[in-house]
Amino acid sequence: EDQVTQSPEALRLQEGESSSLNCSYTVSGLRGLFWYRQDPGKGPEFLFTLYSAGEEKEKERLKATLTKKESFLHITAPKPEDSATYLCAVRGAAGNKLTFGGGTRVLVKP
Amino acid sequence: NAGVTQTPKFQVLKTGQSMTLQCAQDMNHNSMYWYRQDPGMGLRLIYYSASEGTTDKGEVPNGYNVSRLNKREFSLRLESAAPSQTSVYFCASAEGGVNEKLFFGSGTQLSVL
Repeated sequence: EDQVTQSPEALRLQEGESSSLNCSYTVSGLRGLFWYRQDPGKGPEFLFTLYSAGEEKEKERLKATLTKKESFLHITAPKPEDSATYLCAVRGAAGNKLTFGGGTRVLVKP
Repeated sequence: NAGVTQTPKFQVLKTGQSMTLQCAQDMNHNSMYWYRQDPGMGLRLIYYSASEGTTDKGEVPNGYNVSRLNKREFSLRLESAAPSQTSVYFCASAEGGVNEKLFFGSGTQLSVL
C-alpha cells in the first residue's frame, strides 16, 4: 500500500524567511510525485510533477526536489501570498490513483 | 473556463437522508474522481472512473455509489447519510494516462447531523 507522510503539519514564517517542507513516501514503482497548493475553501491546484530521483522543478519562489524516499518543497523568500496548504501525492505502478499526504499548512506573516 | 464544477457548495443532511453530489467537467477529460478531505487525514479516494462507462472503488467506498452519466458528468450518491460522512468532498478530472495531473473542483462541504 502506498503511503505519504508530510512534515511539519504547520509552518509559520516571516516574509523573506526561506524554509523547506518534507514529503516522505513509500510506493511500489513510482510513476510520479505530485505537489499541489490548496487555499482555504478551494480545491487543490497543481504545482509540479517529479518522476525520478534527482529531478528538480521550479516555479517562482517554489522549488521541488526528489530522492528515492522523499521530496522537498523549498520556499525561497516567501511572501504572504504563499500562505496555503501544500499537498504531496504519489502515483504507484499498481493503481490508477493518487495517494495524498496530510499536507503542510504554511502561514507567511508580513 | 469553468473547469470542474461541483454542486451544491454546502449541504446539511439529517442521518438517514439521501442526496447526490453533482460534478461536471468541460475539459474533455477521460478520468474523473471523487475524494473526501477530513482534518489530519488528507484526501482519500472514494470512487473513480477511468473512462466513460467504467467505475472503480477507491480507498473508502462504503456508503457511497457513483454514476458516470457521460464523459462530462460524474455523480456521487449517499443513500443513507451517516455522521461519519461529514466531510468536504472534491471532484477531480484528468486527461488520462499513467502520469496524469488532476484538476479539482471547489468542493462540497457536507454536514450530517
